[in-house]
Order: sequence, then C-alpha cells, then structure tokens
Amino acid sequence: EIVLTQSPGTLSLSPGERGTLSCRASQSVTSSYLAWYQQKPGQAPRLLIYGASSRATGIPDRFSGSGSGTDFTLTISRLEPEDFAVYYCQQYGSSPYTFGQGTKVEIK
Amino acid sequence: QVQLVQSGSELKKPGASVKVSCKASGYAFTNYAMTWVRQAPGQGLEWMGWINTNTGNPTYVQGFTGRFVFSLDTSVSTAYLQISSLKAEDTAVYYCARVAPAVGFDPWGQGTLVTVSS
Repeated sequence: EIVLTQSPGTLSLSPGERGTLSCRASQSVTSSYLAWYQQKPGQAPRLLIYGASSRATGIPDRFSGSGSGTDFTLTISRLEPEDFAVYYCQQYGSSPYTFGQGTKVEIK
Repeated sequence: QVQLVQSGSELKKPGASVKVSCKASGYAFTNYAMTWVRQAPGQGLEWMGWINTNTGNPTYVQGFTGRFVFSLDTSVSTAYLQISSLKAEDTAVYYCARVAPAVGFDPWGQGTLVTVSS
C-alpha cells in the first residue's frame, strides 16, 4: 500500500498570498496518477487536479499541480477567500487507492 | 450535468443495518465504476472499494470486508452501500463517487451521515 504524507498539516495564509502544499508518496506513483481534492466544511470533496498536473473542468487557473514519482505539489497562486479549505492528495495508480491525511489552509 | 444524489441521514442502533443509495444522472451509468469513501467525524478520507457497474462485481479494501456490501440497480442508475451489524465506530459520512479512468473520483455525491448510537 502506498502511504501519502501531506505537509504541512496546517497552512496559515492571508488572501492574495501564494500557497504551496506538498504530498510525498512512500513509493513511486504509477503513471503520475495523483489527484488533489478540495473539501470545505459540510461539503463533499471536489476534484481539482488529476494526473498530477491537469486541472479538472471548471477549476480556476490559480490552482496548479506538479511533480512525479514520489513528490507532488499543489500551488494556489493567489488565495481567494473561497480557497480556505482542506486539501487532500490521492494516488489512484495502485490498489488500494490511498489518500493523504489532508492539509488545512486557514486564514491568517 | 453529471450528478450523484445520495439518500438522507440515518440514525441507527448498534447491531442494526443500513442501506445508503446513490442515484446517478447525466451520464451512462454502466460506463463508469462507482466507488465509496468513508469520512469519520473530524477525520480524513478512507477508500472503501468500488463496484464494476457492468458486471456488478465489487472489490473491497481491507477493513471493509464482511459487513459492507456494494450493490447496484442499473434499471434506475443507482448504487447502494449496505452495512450490517452496525457499530458505534461506523458513525461517519459515506460518499459515493464516479470513477473516471485516469482522472480519479469525479463527481462525488453530497454524502450521507450514518450515526450509530443507542
């Protein structure tokens, strides 16, 4: 089983700042099948990024993903008020598909 | 638009069973697998497994075998999650999501809160 470790656990930032979230895998992620999801309180997760770097339909271009192998990054270029949420990475290249523990992006 | 709509919250006693539904619309139901994800209160996301909507064959992740059953009714484009012999630790929000090949889980249902309490 591939273990995903996200860092930091909490990121305190102000609107307009840049946010950088990390996801490290215990072994290489097959075909860069790495996704990022956003979850707001009381809501279901929403797919942001798939294939490590492709934005899902309707996702603003301030969200970008990068990385390969075992190290992946989600970058939010300029935080908007609606971006404060919890973000999860997930690998879906090897069963069992696994999620990271999440990074909470909170308002500073 | 592609949409998954789940059944409402449930309050059950320990030892009872519950069946959560997930109705799909806006796409050909049997063209995509369906998956289930659990989120305990204040916790992260746990993948439970998936069901092939063509064959009805389910695959369960370790830890979700025995008491958890995935099923389908393709005539109404609906997937089901049944949990038997409920325990307090089954208290969680359960999500269904469509499995999009090479993309991941998209979209998700709104979630169903199952509370197990005496």
